[in-house]
Amino acid sequence: GAVVSQHPSRVICKSGTSVKIECRSLDFQATTMFWYRQFPKQSLMLMATSNEGSKATYEQGVEKDKFLINHASLTLSTLTVTSAHPEDSSFYICSARDPAGAHTEAFFGQGTRLTVV
Amino acid sequence: GNSVTQMEGPVTLSEEAFLTINCTYTATGYPSLFWYVQYPGEGLQLLLKATKADDKGSNKGFEATYRKETTSFHLEKGSVQVSDSAVYFCALSDGASGNTPLVFGKGTRLSVIA
Repeated sequence: GAVVSQHPSRVICKSGTSVKIECRSLDFQATTMFWYRQFPKQSLMLMATSNEGSKATYEQGVEKDKFLINHASLTLSTLTVTSAHPEDSSFYICSARDPAGAHTEAFFGQGTRLTVV
Repeated sequence: GNSVTQMEGPVTLSEEAFLTINCTYTATGYPSLFWYVQYPGEGLQLLLKATKADDKGSNKGFEATYRKETTSFHLEKGSVQVSDSAVYFCALSDGASGNTPLVFGKGTRLSVIA
């Protein structure tokens, strides 16, 4: 079946540095990908919708300059957490749906555990 | 707008107990419905789905029936195992296109004890 691969699975970085997370669709071309953030024992929070070849659409309250999204190809979207601070520590998950079907499921990456020290 | 409401957890059951996690939805049109499972430290995995009214999705002993009349998609399993301990998410797609995100419930944490 379709697979979405996310890398890295874990990253620890120093406060003030930037971290890039990659999300790849392996079996289909994803014109759209979705980035979520999940706090411990809480639900998924949709951060933004990544659109291939155009600007990402951010949800209300998400800082565009803090969370940079690039969707340069039909199989790759990246999320860069810029000037990371401890409060950015979280579990980030990407997702993609096959655009060919309106009733298709979403496929999720394995998630990235970001720890900012 | 579209929304999903699922029972709040956590839910703690003994091994071999019967499981029900309630899920109701609000949607225009004809959504598809999904249950996802998330094991600790991992992303979400599709557990089962149903694309039209009266469809029953099933997988690994879990099942859920798409009930249009009650706008529900309750998850059930007859005999849970310790390995079923995870967070379960109910979700819907609005059917408009594959370029829109699924709408998720808040998740229900299940703990199964031996």
